[in-house]
Amino acid sequence: EAQVTQNPRYLITVTGKKLTVTCSQNMNHEYMSWYRQDPGLGLRQIYYSMNVEVTDKGDVPEGYKVSRKEKRNFPLILESPSPNQTSLYFCASSTIQGFYNSPLHFGNGTRLTVT
Amino acid sequence: QQQVKQSPQSLIVQKGGISIINCAYENTAFDYFPWYQQFPGKGPALLIAIRPDVSEKKEGRFTISFNKSAKQFSLHIMDSQPGDSATYFCAASTRGSTLGRLYFGRGTQLTVWP
Repeated sequence: EAQVTQNPRYLITVTGKKLTVTCSQNMNHEYMSWYRQDPGLGLRQIYYSMNVEVTDKGDVPEGYKVSRKEKRNFPLILESPSPNQTSLYFCASSTIQGFYNSPLHFGNGTRLTVT
Repeated sequence: QQQVKQSPQSLIVQKGGISIINCAYENTAFDYFPWYQQFPGKGPALLIAIRPDVSEKKEGRFTISFNKSAKQFSLHIMDSQPGDSATYFCAASTRGSTLGRLYFGRGTQLTVWP
């Protein structure tokens, strides 16, 4: 089954404790992206990657890091989480041919709480 | 700066009624306008999309109306059903130098009551 898998689904942590949210896709997609969803603010893009070793900032990259060492994986790293990063996070993927030809496929989300 | 403005934030419709969600944009380089549907506990999924060379696209009970001159587009859900209760996001993208960015509206929470 074609899917984007995020882990964990739920995570509670404390301020300053480094964490990584993993994302993996099995569709051989070149494009991967991270979004955060907050009430009233919709989906805001954090980082995206057009291919292996190619990443770029979205609208809200501060406090986050990403890496794309393999095509299928795109982990999101919070090196020193703060309470304002409490949010629902989504990973998504698509082909490089553009959204015309391939919709964005989303994972089921990771709900992060930073106390 | 919000690239796509969506309204209303929430919408309550009676079963069988018409649900209408509106979006507006400023960037004339946008040339792809999808709508995503999100159920609780799930990620958003593509519902329907339109390109600016047509003014309307219909798929079953869902219709996108597109007004290029006004830079507005809307989602119409005919004969709304309780199973349509979800959050809807409009979005916009280009195929040019900003390929890789899909800009989302803030979402509309639709509730259809029996």
